[in-house]
Amino acid sequence: EAGVAQSPRYKIIEKRQSVAFWCNPISGHATLYWYQQILGQGPKLLIQFQNNGVVDDSQLPKDRFSAERLKGVDSTLKIQPAKLEDSAVYLCASSFTGTPGDTQYFGPGTRLTVL
Amino acid sequence: GQNIDQPTEMTATEGAIVQINCTYQTSGFNGLFWYQQHAGEAPTFLSYNVLDGLEEKGRFSSFLSRSKGYSYLLLKELQMKDSASYLCAVNSNYQLIWGAGTKLIIKP
Repeated sequence: EAGVAQSPRYKIIEKRQSVAFWCNPISGHATLYWYQQILGQGPKLLIQFQNNGVVDDSQLPKDRFSAERLKGVDSTLKIQPAKLEDSAVYLCASSFTGTPGDTQYFGPGTRLTVL
Repeated sequence: GQNIDQPTEMTATEGAIVQINCTYQTSGFNGLFWYQQHAGEAPTFLSYNVLDGLEEKGRFSSFLSRSKGYSYLLLKELQMKDSASYLCAVNSNYQLIWGAGTKLIIKP
């Protein structure tokens, strides 16, 4: 079974530029999550989708971050414009149903450096 | 507020046993996860506890006490490949709240 795919793996941009990340979850998984992980910290949930609907985006900085999951499968996360403090690893995860005991499976992440 | 505490770093010797503690204060509780994260890699699932007690899975065991807001991960027969960060995460109101992780260093 293929795992969660993410691209690109690395991205370096200058502040005020835009960037987009892509995620393809495990086939059949209804729930998709985007996390931001700053070095030395645990992952912070940015947004959670159930199929193509948003379940939780309370911690998404909506003035600069946006995400979509149009057909309930793959997803994109965009930052526009980027700030220095956005430098982090962006992790995508998926789970089968999104219920409390459901395991989340993570992709390899995208390491973003904002200069 | 929601808070999860873990030691920042621990050191242990190859072949030994180590216990990594996690304490939590959350508004809701629907289970506790332990994940392993090697440097530069994604977290991978280790265990899930929703009821009090010990869950054993090979060299790894996880314990939960809901009344004390406390869990631990026990790693036996440590191997060099166990060098990683161990993340505790609590499902609170259907959202995972993550600790900062414990970096485990294994010495020969």
